[in-house]
Amino acid sequence: NAGVTQTPKFQVLKTGQSMTLQCAQDMNHNSMYWYRQDPGMGLRLIYYSASEGTTDKGEVPNGYNVSRLNKREFSLRLESAAPSQTSVYFCASSEAGQGGHTDTQYFGPGTRLTVL
Amino acid sequence: QKEVEQNSGPLSVPEGAIASLNCTYSDRGSQSFFWYRQYSGKSPELIMFIYSNGDKEDGRFTAQLNKASQYVSLLIRDSQPSDSATYLCAVRQDNNDMRFGAGTRLTVKP
Repeated sequence: NAGVTQTPKFQVLKTGQSMTLQCAQDMNHNSMYWYRQDPGMGLRLIYYSASEGTTDKGEVPNGYNVSRLNKREFSLRLESAAPSQTSVYFCASSEAGQGGHTDTQYFGPGTRLTVL
Repeated sequence: QKEVEQNSGPLSVPEGAIASLNCTYSDRGSQSFFWYRQYSGKSPELIMFIYSNGDKEDGRFTAQLNKASQYVSLLIRDSQPSDSATYLCAVRQDNNDMRFGAGTRLTVKP
């Protein structure tokens, strides 16, 4: 099992450009998440999908959109990139979704995005 | 006030010593608590979770939870240089949202 995979690993954009970050999991998990990690800020939730066909906003959704393409795949789109979106983006998945308090999230390798 | 607070460190301990990492949280209704390890440039990986008051041991790692004090800690016994990493505390709040601390950087010196 590959676990959670993300593409691309690195990306440099100019202000105003758009791009989509891809995430896939092969663990048959119901829930998927997108986080960003900035120095001194910890991981902050952008969007999540508790199950196939549903998406919800997290702490910092502005400037992003998501698509849960199927049970395996969850993409994050930046429509008009800004320097403030320079960050490391992690996708994660979990089995039970929002219902189980011991539900554990497993992370992908991350995408390092720089917006100039 | 941040929802999950950790001392940013760096925390430096000699090889073989006990490393103690601390985390406090603000949501009194929080249900469960997770410790992740993150090596530089890598993704977080789960060490263990705890949801009952008291201690939970897994190998060299012990998680301690005190809900009354809103405090959770991670002890690493017999610390090794390979334990050098950033340790993230994550809290599942009453509304099921997960909140992460900014992490504590640990250095284990040979």
